[in-house]
Amino acid sequence: AQSVAQPEDQVNVAEGNPLTVKCTYSVSGNPYLFWYVQYPNRGLQFLLKYITGDNLVKGSYGFEAEFNKSQTSFHLKKPSALVSDSALYFCAVRDRRYSSASKIIFGSGTRLSIRP
Amino acid sequence: SAVISQKPSRDICQRGTSLTIQCQVDSQVTMMFWYRQQPGQSLTLIATANQGSEATYESGFVIDKFPISRPNLTFSTLTVSNMSPEDSSIYLCSAGGSDEQYFGPGTRLTVT
Repeated sequence: AQSVAQPEDQVNVAEGNPLTVKCTYSVSGNPYLFWYVQYPNRGLQFLLKYITGDNLVKGSYGFEAEFNKSQTSFHLKKPSALVSDSALYFCAVRDRRYSSASKIIFGSGTRLSIRP
Repeated sequence: SAVISQKPSRDICQRGTSLTIQCQVDSQVTMMFWYRQQPGQSLTLIATANQGSEATYESGFVIDKFPISRPNLTFSTLTVSNMSPEDSSIYLCSAGGSDEQYFGPGTRLTVT
């Protein structure tokens, strides 16, 4: 069965510093990987995805993520954090073995807090 | 990308009653899903809404409690039946194809 883990409940970073939000996954085949962000009282917003190709994926708001097959990880990164990046971040995985009907499974979420 | 709207955005309901949540997508989509989320916590998939056939429910969720309709490729409803305070949560509609999945703003349900 597919699963995804976000080992940190909260990440605290000073504005202007680089940030990393960690994610590891487990699927039987090759994965589709996603990052979503949720601001307070808002729905989920799609940030980026890895389907195939270059292991470094660039997404919205200056975020990027690196797919590492050997470590089964898909960490979210940003070179310089902004206070407005403070939100709840979810990593998600879909098992590519299945058809487009297969479900996305979400991690537990990491709360990112950027201090001025 | 797909734009997804949900109605109502929030509701307060009495236990024992039912609420139907509507989800509308601005374009035809292959897949539609319903999730539940406690505030600040992760999302739990309730079911996949299949167009023209019965929904596929995840473990712990049953059709009698959460009946789902999907009459066409842009619309779905989720009913929360015979509600109890434990059903208080945010219910999210999601839609997409093989690569991406988008989410509606959610329906915040409080059962008293």
